[in-house]
Amino acid sequence: GAVVSQHPSRVICKSGTSVKIECRSLDFQATTMFWYRQFPKKSLMLMATSNEGSKATYEQGVEKDKFLINHASLTLSTLTVTSAHPEDSSFYICSASPPRTDTQYFGPGTRLTVL
Amino acid sequence: DAKTTQPPSMDCAEGRAANLPCNHSTISGNEYVYWYRQIHSQGPQYIIHGLKNNETNEMASLIITEDRKSSTLILPHATLRDTAVYYCIVRALYNNNDMRFGAGTRLTVKP
Repeated sequence: GAVVSQHPSRVICKSGTSVKIECRSLDFQATTMFWYRQFPKKSLMLMATSNEGSKATYEQGVEKDKFLINHASLTLSTLTVTSAHPEDSSFYICSASPPRTDTQYFGPGTRLTVL
Repeated sequence: DAKTTQPPSMDCAEGRAANLPCNHSTISGNEYVYWYRQIHSQGPQYIIHGLKNNETNEMASLIITEDRKSSTLILPHATLRDTAVYYCIVRALYNNNDMRFGAGTRLTVKP
């Protein structure tokens, strides 16, 4: 199956700093990638849709100035959590679909802890 | 606001078949049934999907009722490594924004 990677796998940062998370499709190009957030013992919640070469589409209630998304190439999308606070601590997961398929493949996730 | 209903948890003995049910009574004609699983602290893993015919792959079988209002994921010989949360998702083809996760079923495979 298609492979999606994320980096870093876990990050700990101080409150007020910004953190960048990378999502890469390793063996296919993806014009669209998706970012999810998952709190402990909860299900995944779609945050935004990342579109290559254009602005991301955010779900209701997700602050676009807080969670900056850049999809600069067909294999890379980045999520930057700006001015992180402890309540932003969560498991962030990205996904992408290979061309001519409709199946989303997920990355391994990035665990963010904000102190 | 997931469109599916799954039992919150199930147990299965190692080596036996695990049958995970999912109700999707409001499914539309153009919506597929997808199954993913998530092992603790990992990203979801794609298992299988189908429209109306039963499907089988190396991981599992998917049985969809004739009226398409429910389905069952079958792991034919469950192992301890199949312990995970299993998500049933209905989603229209090429409508990527509608991948919505419900609470899923926590399957525990016991020795």
